Amino acid sequence: NAGVTQTPKFQVLKTGQSMTLQCAQDMNHEYMSWYRQDPGMGLRLIHYSVGAGITDQGEVPNGYNVSRSTTEDFPLRLLSAAPSQTSVYFCASSRTHRGRKSPLHFGNGTRLTVT
Amino acid sequence: AQTVTQSQPEMSVQEAETVTLSCTYDTSESDYYLFWYKQPPSRQMILVIRQEAYKQQNATENRFSVNFQKAAKSFSLKISDSQLGDAAMYFCAYRSVEDTGTASKLTFGTGTRLQVTL
Repeated sequence: NAGVTQTPKFQVLKTGQSMTLQCAQDMNHEYMSWYRQDPGMGLRLIHYSVGAGITDQGEVPNGYNVSRSTTEDFPLRLLSAAPSQTSVYFCASSRTHRGRKSPLHFGNGTRLTVT
Repeated sequence: AQTVTQSQPEMSVQEAETVTLSCTYDTSESDYYLFWYKQPPSRQMILVIRQEAYKQQNATENRFSVNFQKAAKSFSLKISDSQLGDAAMYFCAYRSVEDTGTASKLTFGTGTRLQVTL
């Protein structure tokens, strides 16, 4: 009963480095998404996917890439880390179907610091 | 685009007392979902309560209840018999009913930090 699993929990990067934040869910959810949380700004959508092979941009996509090769996994890639990407990152998933949606299930977050 | 406003950055309540957290939102849609999420220091995002806009009855979950005023676009959270474990950041969030694209996203308020004192 793992739900949404994010790794790592903490990461420190130097400016210009690249890395991938991992997200996996075992609930067979079609919809997966990445949010970033910054003080005083709530959570903002970075990228999302409505199914394997389908991704699209959210509100703040610049500097991030995603892919969705399987239903279970939705990694977030930072191509060249910048201090402005210092944040807490959350992966979330939900079931989608015509009519009523299930609530978003969140992972436990990754705290990323870029120096 | 939808917006969610939480006008109380911080609130404090004594243990066993009742507190109400405010949330207003703006939308042109007639059907949608509203949520309250709790974020304790562990950083985990925990769903507290959910309201579907087409339902007139206010949602309740044990000590948590909402006052949903659709015409006023208001969605407040009431916590009764407050406990030390209720201390956390609380986020109000909006989600469209539509299935497509960014309509599936949650739009969050900026949060209210709740302190519970003895």
